[in-house]
Amino acid sequence: AQRVTQPEKLLSVFKGAPVELKCNYSYSGSPELFWYVQYSRQRLQLLLRHISRESIKGFTADLNKGETSFHLKKPFAQEEDSAMYYCALNRASGTYKYIFGTGTRLKVLA
Amino acid sequence: DADVTQTPRNRITKTGKRIMLECSQTKGHDRMYWYRQDPGLGLRLIYYSFDVKDINKGEISDGYSVSRQAQAKFSLSLESAIPNQTALYFCATSPTGVKETQYFGPGTRLLVL
Repeated sequence: AQRVTQPEKLLSVFKGAPVELKCNYSYSGSPELFWYVQYSRQRLQLLLRHISRESIKGFTADLNKGETSFHLKKPFAQEEDSAMYYCALNRASGTYKYIFGTGTRLKVLA
Repeated sequence: DADVTQTPRNRITKTGKRIMLECSQTKGHDRMYWYRQDPGLGLRLIYYSFDVKDINKGEISDGYSVSRQAQAKFSLSLESAIPNQTALYFCATSPTGVKETQYFGPGTRLLVL
């Protein structure tokens, strides 16, 4: 079955420390993977997508097909990075498109 | 600005009542979705619609129904609300295409007493 797993419900790091939010997926085809972020009192919004191979707000994520992972990384966390992060998989076929993980709350401590 | 809006933003209702949550968008997207968000469970898809005449059940459609009145409007109804439908509900839209990104509304917080 297709699935997106985010093993950490809560991740706390100190300001300036590196951050890695884990995301693993199971999908037999070629997935498209995304990270969405929800800041306090704001709507869910796209952070980045693997096909763009971009860095947004200092975050990067590399698709590792061998390990079926799409971990989100940032070398130096900032307090404003505190938010809820969702990994999502977009299937190219199937009855519907998006599968979201259960989310990881990131808290960056001063 | 093109946007996704939801009404109401907050709603308190009683068990057994019928309620409707509305979603409107000015993005011109064909595809619209309804999700619910629960702590520890993430976002789960309730219903989705790829155009006005195409409506499909998601993974947790029981107890819900939807109506796609127009390309820009997608309503979610709880026919007879129950307490475990207390959640945060999100509407989302996306353009047609494989490389789609979803655009979310601000959410409706529903409490069923």
